[in-house]
Amino acid sequence: EVHLVESGGGLVKPGGSLRLSCAASGLIFSNTWMSWVRQAPGKGLEWVGRIETKARGGKTDYAAPLEGRFSISRDDSNNTLYLQLNSLKAEDTAVYYCTTGLFHWHPDVWGRGALVTVSS
Amino acid sequence: IVMTQSPLSLPVTLGQPASISCRSSQSLVYSDGDTHLSWFQQRPGQSPRRLIYKVFNRDSGVPDRFSGSGSGTDFTLKISRVEAEDVGVYYCMQGTHWYTFGQGTKLELK
Repeated sequence: EVHLVESGGGLVKPGGSLRLSCAASGLIFSNTWMSWVRQAPGKGLEWVGRIETKARGGKTDYAAPLEGRFSISRDDSNNTLYLQLNSLKAEDTAVYYCTTGLFHWHPDVWGRGALVTVSS
Repeated sequence: IVMTQSPLSLPVTLGQPASISCRSSQSLVYSDGDTHLSWFQQRPGQSPRRLIYKVFNRDSGVPDRFSGSGSGTDFTLKISRVEAEDVGVYYCMQGTHWYTFGQGTKLELK
């Protein structure tokens, strides 16, 4: 069975940084495109960014408003996806999900999410 | 691209049909000829789950009472007979020009 498990969430002050991890199991991670999606409290879903496979150069793309502050990377040897969050703002408070579900050629898998709270 | 769903709230009686509309501000036909429109369900307290991809393709394990249709800029998710487990929020998402979700439609039981 395929599992994605996020970790690294928590409380951070405005302007601070945080790195989220997403541990994958049950899939050939190195062959899998991955994405991050976030959901502010009581709000809808928002795409954060994606990373292609290393075979495609590990190309990353981000939602325009977030580019420059957020960075996605992957460690295929440890089946782990990362999301580096920098210069955090109160409006970045959200549950951050890692998922394969945005890519129709992959089975749909979502983690349970990691809560990031930005507050002084 | 802006995705606009309607209605935003959908009270439905058990066993009755339900329909959600999703409109995009631009055509979702990609250069490869495919239309990258998906539907997701988020039950209360759970992570989202993809139901439909490329307009009408059901994901594995999705009941056949769920169906997707549409083309260009207008799309619809239909539930033929609503069951209690269908309560939650439904999102359309376009994947043709990066990724954008609709605002969500909250389906609840009358």
